[in-house]
Amino acid sequence: GDKVKQSPSALSLQEGTNSALRCNFSIAATTVQWFLQNPRGSLINLFYLVPGTKENGRLKSTFNSKESYSTLHIRDAQLEDSGTYFCAAEAPGKLTFGDGTVLTVKP
Amino acid sequence: ETAVFQTPNYHVTQVGNEVSFNCKQTLGHDTMYWYKQDSKKLLKIMFSYNNKQLIVNETVPRRFSPQSSDKAHLNLRIKSVEPEDSAVYLCASSLFSAETLYFGSGTRLTVL
Repeated sequence: GDKVKQSPSALSLQEGTNSALRCNFSIAATTVQWFLQNPRGSLINLFYLVPGTKENGRLKSTFNSKESYSTLHIRDAQLEDSGTYFCAAEAPGKLTFGDGTVLTVKP
Repeated sequence: ETAVFQTPNYHVTQVGNEVSFNCKQTLGHDTMYWYKQDSKKLLKIMFSYNNKQLIVNETVPRRFSPQSSDKAHLNLRIKSVEPEDSAVYLCASSLFSAETLYFGSGTRLTVL
């Protein structure tokens, strides 16, 4: 939606390369979550963030509440990273999802 | 590791019928949700519910209603389905509201 804007809307990567997805907010977000929806349709929670940075394997995410954005960095992309990535921002009492970034990793 | 279970996976029905989808979570969470994901993959909250409060998205038609027997179960009933109800319905839970969301695998509804 307009309150949570994800970019790019689609991305194609070569296996082994790095990339970053971005989420901009027009709401006063207090927390951010990132999800991966795999080709089978399951939504998997990747990160839950308060302002700051978290890292998990090849993934790293930052939430900057002052500048109202969050990023998800993917290092050494693998075929299984393909899917749709959603960010969701929490403003008090409501979680709003972005429209997603469709990532395709090619061999 | 699946901990939010939805049934059925798929359901095909005709306009005007009543349908009911089940959701159960084994995480001991206090809050459960229903989301609708349309053909463009946009995710919209329909309901959130804990043992104290039901919060309804005001855009949800009245033919939709959540049903809960205890905090581990939140079912979704659609009284008289319409073609625009065709979508994937995703159940989720969190320990409290504003905490990490865990999703089920979804129920794909097709209304003919």
